Amino acid sequence: GAVVSQHPSWVICKSGTSVKIECRSLDFQATTMFWYRQFPKQSLMLMATSNEGSKATYEQGVEKDKFLINHASLTLSTLTVTSAHPEDSSFYICSAREGALEGKNIQYFGAGTRLSVL
Amino acid sequence: GNSVTQMEGPVTLSEEAFLTINCTYTATGYPSLFWYVQYPGEGLQLLLKATKADDKGSNKGFEATYRKETTSFHLEKGSVQVSDSAVYFCALKGYTGRRALTFGSGTRLQVQP
Repeated sequence: GAVVSQHPSWVICKSGTSVKIECRSLDFQATTMFWYRQFPKQSLMLMATSNEGSKATYEQGVEKDKFLINHASLTLSTLTVTSAHPEDSSFYICSAREGALEGKNIQYFGAGTRLSVL
Repeated sequence: GNSVTQMEGPVTLSEEAFLTINCTYTATGYPSLFWYVQYPGEGLQLLLKATKADDKGSNKGFEATYRKETTSFHLEKGSVQVSDSAVYFCALKGYTGRRALTFGSGTRLQVQP
């Protein structure tokens, strides 16, 4: 099946610094990528949806200036957590969808990135 | 809004035992329903899906039937194996509007030899 690579898998940073997380579709072109956040023992919560070449659509309550999303190509989307604080510590997961057609309308997930902010 | 509720884990079973993981949902219209599985250190993988009422999704011995009357999509397997140990997520995609998935909180399954 299709592979989505997410990097890094784990990052520790100091409070106030910025962290970039990459999400790559390795063997298909992803017209749409999604970024989720997961708290311990809770659901994956959608943060934003990004389409290649356009601005991301953020879910209500997600600060777009804090969580910068760039989807500059059909195989790469990045999430930058700016001025990170301990409350941003979480598990971030990306997914990519190949196309809008029903037959290709399947999301493929990365393995996730655990962010710990000290 | 849409929501998914699934049973809390962990669920611990012996090999060859029968598995049921309950999932119920709230949504308007006719959502599509999914089960995803996450093995340790890996991303979520689609296990099975159903797109309309009474559909049965199946894969790798797992089954789930879309029950609109009870708004449920329970996951079952007749005989689990140690290799089935993972976290299972129930999810839905709305019939209209946003195309992202709404997930349940996940259920960890531990199968002991």
